[in-house]
Amino acid sequence: DTGVSQDPRHKITKRGQNVTFRCDPISEHNRLYWYRQTLGQGPEFLTYFQNEAQLEKSRLLSDRFSAERPKGSFSTLEIQRTEQGDSAMYLCASLRTSGRADTQYFGPGTRLTVL
Amino acid sequence: AQSVTQLDSQVPVFEEAPVELRCNYSSSVSVYLFWYVQYPNQGLQLLLKYLSGSTLVKGINGFEAEFNKSQTSFHLRKPSVHISDTAEYFCAGNRDDKIIFGKGTRLHILP
Repeated sequence: DTGVSQDPRHKITKRGQNVTFRCDPISEHNRLYWYRQTLGQGPEFLTYFQNEAQLEKSRLLSDRFSAERPKGSFSTLEIQRTEQGDSAMYLCASLRTSGRADTQYFGPGTRLTVL
Repeated sequence: AQSVTQLDSQVPVFEEAPVELRCNYSSSVSVYLFWYVQYPNQGLQLLLKYLSGSTLVKGINGFEAEFNKSQTSFHLRKPSVHISDTAEYFCAGNRDDKIIFGKGTRLHILP
């Protein structure tokens, strides 16, 4: 257990439905990342926050995806009008910046299945 | 262009035998390099990282990796594997505050 928690661990939904995932980072970690991992691939960067500010979004993040970190603590990732191609593991990671390739601590992930 | 390349998608090895998982990186990532392990149905756990200094990096669970600048490699090794090492291993590099992962190598431990 790294101290990063994600909820739910598994989500099954029908195509077209909206889903929301939550990530609780390690306390006092100022950066929070979202990654997506599809079968047989390594995780791919989606977006990240420094405190409550969203600093970067990947081109992988279509308009149907939105992420927030309203108080600089937990974060949510929402997918609207889900598609079968959204089926993946969604990973959250957090770190405390010290200026030199700081270690990212990963949560257990949320596995999304879109039927 | 692939920034981190893991040359083997699967590696079978007998229990108690040595293993090497290969990784090459490109110039598009910085030379901050990592190896992560992912056990079935779990998140990623950091095994070790290279930032600078000694090219031989020791990590958890008896793993070590060697940074080789001339060959742009960062191979992971363990002298004697155990059944509990069965997992997916990801090599990764840092680029612009993000981690760029390879596609992973699945380590199969044979009895």
